[in-house]
Amino acid sequence: DAGVTQSPTHLIKTRGQQVTLRCSPKSGHDTVSWYQQALGQGPQFIFQYYEEEERQRGNFPDRFSGHQFPNYSSELNVNALLLGDSALYLCASRAGGSGTDTQYFGPGTRLTVL
Amino acid sequence: GENVEQHPSTLSVQEGDSAVIKCTYSDSASNYFPWYKQELGKRPQLIIDIRSNVGEKKDQRIAVTLNKTAKHFSLHITETQPEDSAVYFCAASHTGFQKLVFGTGTRLLVSP
Repeated sequence: DAGVTQSPTHLIKTRGQQVTLRCSPKSGHDTVSWYQQALGQGPQFIFQYYEEEERQRGNFPDRFSGHQFPNYSSELNVNALLLGDSALYLCASRAGGSGTDTQYFGPGTRLTVL
Repeated sequence: GENVEQHPSTLSVQEGDSAVIKCTYSDSASNYFPWYKQELGKRPQLIIDIRSNVGEKKDQRIAVTLNKTAKHFSLHITETQPEDSAVYFCAASHTGFQKLVFGTGTRLLVSP
């Protein structure tokens, strides 16, 4: 049973560029959340997708957008990259219809903006 | 919005000692409190969680206690081992929102 997977593992971009990160949820999970973890800090909630719609959003600008596909996988897009966007981006999945709160994290994508 | 405070930021213990990490949350509607362990360069891993209808939960050497009145919860690790060394995060959420609000983390160092 595969857990949450993310790609790519590492990514280096320059300011102003755009980036797309990908996440495949754990088998049986239909809800995907994205978090940003800056160095030395706790993860910060970006948004959550369920049934291909954004259900909740944290305090992140519109430069951060996402998508969920019919197979429950998800993408995180960040436009007009800033140096401050350098962080570990984590995807977490849960079984939304089961009523459980438990979220499992993927290994993350380390984004470096130069 | 919800705010979670976590203390201490660093904790050094000798192997075999107990370690306690404390968190306080602000939103009284929060009803789910997980703890994650994150080793350097790795994903956060769920180690234990508790819901607001339970005051205490234990899993081998790890236990979590919850005081809803005071809005704080704690992680207890007994008989610590060097492999327990990592950063531990507490978090809070509530049904209907489900986003996890994390504390700032505690770096635990267990010396042999």
